[in-house]
Amino acid sequence: QLVLTQSPSASASLGASVKLTCTLTSGHSNYAIAWLQQQPDKGPRYLMKLNSDGSHSKGDGIPDRFSGSSSGAERYLTISSLQSEDEADYYCQAWGTDIRVFGGGTKLTVL
Amino acid sequence: EVELVESGGGLVQPGRSLRLSCITSGFRFGDFAMTWVRQAPGKGLEWLSFIRNKAYGGTTEYAASVKGRFTVSRDDSKSIVYLQMNSLKTEDTAMYYCVREGGGITMFWGQGTLVTVSS
Repeated sequence: QLVLTQSPSASASLGASVKLTCTLTSGHSNYAIAWLQQQPDKGPRYLMKLNSDGSHSKGDGIPDRFSGSSSGAERYLTISSLQSEDEADYYCQAWGTDIRVFGGGTKLTVL
Repeated sequence: EVELVESGGGLVQPGRSLRLSCITSGFRFGDFAMTWVRQAPGKGLEWLSFIRNKAYGGTTEYAASVKGRFTVSRDDSKSIVYLQMNSLKTEDTAMYYCVREGGGITMFWGQGTLVTVSS
């Protein structure tokens, strides 16, 4: 069964970097995922597709500060030069032939 | 510019039905699968259903939590996707989002429509 696990919360200082993690269940370690951002009181926004080899393709208008990487079953979202507007919930999402799955989300606080 | 606008939400009593609509523009609707996702108050995202485009048979898939109660459909001539929700329960209270997919990725999201199930 395809399951995505995320830490509930993370925090980092303004101007610093933060690395968020999404872990795929064993047996699905070769899956690509998508990262989404949901700012307070807004709908989610697609950030990027992240492949198992770490290659990624970002959505239109997504700043260079957002990048992705992979290691085994873990998929990472790194946000550098943190800004106040980066304070948001971040979700990972995966897909199979007959299913779509979301991680539980990570609430990022910018200190 | 891709736009998705949901409508049809509101307050409904348990056991009743509601049909959500999602009017889309800015892309060739018939080329894409469409997905419904919901978010209960203060909770995370929950995938509900998707409908493939005609090239893939227009077939549908559902999450276990809504299978048998919810039905997704599409009208390619009007670029609209629907979600028929029957036998609603209080736990169906959520913001409901319409999403245009891109190869399984939930790529473009609407602003959502709020469904409240309460007596």
